Amino acid sequence: GIQVEQSPPDLILQEGANSTLRCNFSDSVNNLQWFHQNPWGQLINLFYIPSGTKQNGRLSATTVATERYSLLYISSSQTTDSGVYFCAVEEGSYDKVIFGPGTSLSVIP
Amino acid sequence: NAGVTQTPKFQVLKTGQSMTLQCAQDMNHNSMYWYRQDPGMGLRLIYYSASEGTTDKGEVPNGYNVSRLNKREFSLRLESAAPSQTSVYFCASSAYRGQDQPQHFGDGTRLSIL
Repeated sequence: GIQVEQSPPDLILQEGANSTLRCNFSDSVNNLQWFHQNPWGQLINLFYIPSGTKQNGRLSATTVATERYSLLYISSSQTTDSGVYFCAVEEGSYDKVIFGPGTSLSVIP
Repeated sequence: NAGVTQTPKFQVLKTGQSMTLQCAQDMNHNSMYWYRQDPGMGLRLIYYSASEGTTDKGEVPNGYNVSRLNKREFSLRLESAAPSQTSVYFCASSAYRGQDQPQHFGDGTRLSIL
């Protein structure tokens, strides 16, 4: 099956700093999503982005499907951004969604 | 709008006991999923249901069974619980495949098997 890798595995930022998280996948995918899991364990969808670029406030994401990667940009980070960020891809067999291992982000004041 | 509701939120079982985790969504979504998340790890797909009446295995289906009772409800059953099944279980749903419709997750069920 498809392999999903994320980097870096852990990241510590000072409040106000910017960061880029990366997701690589081993085969073509039908779509890609980015999620944030907050410290209380809740999973929130950030972007549904099979290709191209999207922006939502301080967050933006870019997926280059032909090169099999996606990037999540966090600008002017805040302590509430802390948590784990997952990318998830949908394999060729529709509706089967595979998650990457996540990037754990800690934003310190 | 409740979204995806999972019950129970917490459960402790003894090895060999059985139980069913319940999941219901009120967004009229076609697809529903069950994942498990072990400490420090990502989510692994157990089973999914692309539409009412269909179910398919994910990455880690062994030891589990599922039922898509109707369009709203998707249950996960552990027939004979084992300590290796201690985990946090998440249910999710999404609309039609191929549309710009993200997955929505429940708050999880924390399951401990002694």
